[in-house]
Amino acid sequence: QQQVKQSPQSLIVQKGGISIINCAYENTAFDYFPWYQQFPGKGPALLIAIRPDVSEKKEGRFTISFNKSAKQFSLHIMDSQPGDSATYFCAAYSGGGADGLTFGKGTHLIIQP
Amino acid sequence: GAGVSQSPRYKVAKRGQDVALRCDPISGHVSLFWYQQALGQGPEFLTYFQNEAQLDKSGLPSDRFFAERPEGSVSTLKIQRTQQEDSAVYLCASSVNRGRETQYFGPGTRLLVL
Repeated sequence: QQQVKQSPQSLIVQKGGISIINCAYENTAFDYFPWYQQFPGKGPALLIAIRPDVSEKKEGRFTISFNKSAKQFSLHIMDSQPGDSATYFCAAYSGGGADGLTFGKGTHLIIQP
Repeated sequence: GAGVSQSPRYKVAKRGQDVALRCDPISGHVSLFWYQQALGQGPEFLTYFQNEAQLDKSGLPSDRFFAERPEGSVSTLKIQRTQQEDSAVYLCASSVNRGRETQYFGPGTRLLVL
């Protein structure tokens, strides 16, 4: 059972454009939602994270939008750059559940120069 | 400063062989996690240690998988009698405390079972 659904599977965006990746979850016990960036041959690295008591969090060019009632959250990358080309994973964590993160299947993002 | 390191980076095993994968977490990190990442998929949680105590092993796929962290620092994930479906990247992560804290991932060990 996939607890965190991520879309799209792949995304191509022109340099300078906005990249948008969406995630949806079912488990209302989730209370921490990080986004990870992974380059080939490397482990995932935390990009930005949000808790459900806020609807938006911005760090530089990266913004998370969170809709608690819809159980959806999204990552927006503004002014996308070729160096942003990577695989992005949304994840969720429940303090009362398993101790690990539950990840989406990932989005392969390509920024075309 | 040193991050999470894992060894070996690549491992080829014949079906039925036992393998041992090592993780050196960031010094002082209490929590250590193991994840399995199949090709083209997101990481899936395997097991969690708080210091030397294995508090959660709900994600281990079978009793062929065994993990330990005897002194609360280095951890080893052992897979007995490897099967082809065990082929994946095995990621180790550590954090200062528990899951809500930032988890720092190592580069992973890519295991190929022939």
